[in-house]
Amino acid sequence: EAGVTQFPSHSVIEKGQTVTLRCDPISGHDNLYWYRRVMGKEIKFLLHFVKESKQDESGMPNNRFLAERTGGTYSTLKVQPAELEDSGVYFCASSRRQQNTEAFFGQGTRLTVV
Amino acid sequence: GDSVTQMEGPVTLSEEAFLTINCTYTATGYPSLFWYVQYPGEGLQLLLKATKADDKGSNKGFEATYRKETTSFHLEKGSVQVSDSAVYFCALRGDFGNEKLTFGTGTRLTIIP
Repeated sequence: EAGVTQFPSHSVIEKGQTVTLRCDPISGHDNLYWYRRVMGKEIKFLLHFVKESKQDESGMPNNRFLAERTGGTYSTLKVQPAELEDSGVYFCASSRRQQNTEAFFGQGTRLTVV
Repeated sequence: GDSVTQMEGPVTLSEEAFLTINCTYTATGYPSLFWYVQYPGEGLQLLLKATKADDKGSNKGFEATYRKETTSFHLEKGSVQVSDSAVYFCALRGDFGNEKLTFGTGTRLTIIP
């Protein structure tokens, strides 16, 4: 079974540019989560999809961040325009829609805004 | 809201030393508790978990016990190895329907031979 895959693994962009991160969850996993770790700090929740619907987007920092999951399969997270404080590692995770099920994480995308 | 407080790092130990990484939490209801590990160059992996009070999670020689009276979930290992060098994250998950994970800041552990 393939794991959670994230693209790209690294991205360096200039302030003001746009970046789109992609996450391919494990097949059959209805839950998809985005998290972010800013350097040296805790990993923070951004949002949660159940299939194609946003279940909880309370962690999205501002309206420069847009997440989509069309068709309930892969998800994208777009940052437009990027700011310096957006730098960090963005993690995606997926899980089955069952109680006490494990969330599987991708390797993360390291975003650097210069 | 929910929160996790984790021992600050970095932590450096000699091989075969005893390891404790402290973790305490604040949460409503009956959360599940987790330790995740990130080895160099890899993603987050679940190390162990406990879903109710007094449960003990264990894996790869690591253990943690869910202590509701002290709201703690400390990670322990009796004899660490160089291969245990990684960043360790304590986390909690709310009840079903509120399944997001709340993480601590992470503790970087380095084991020297």
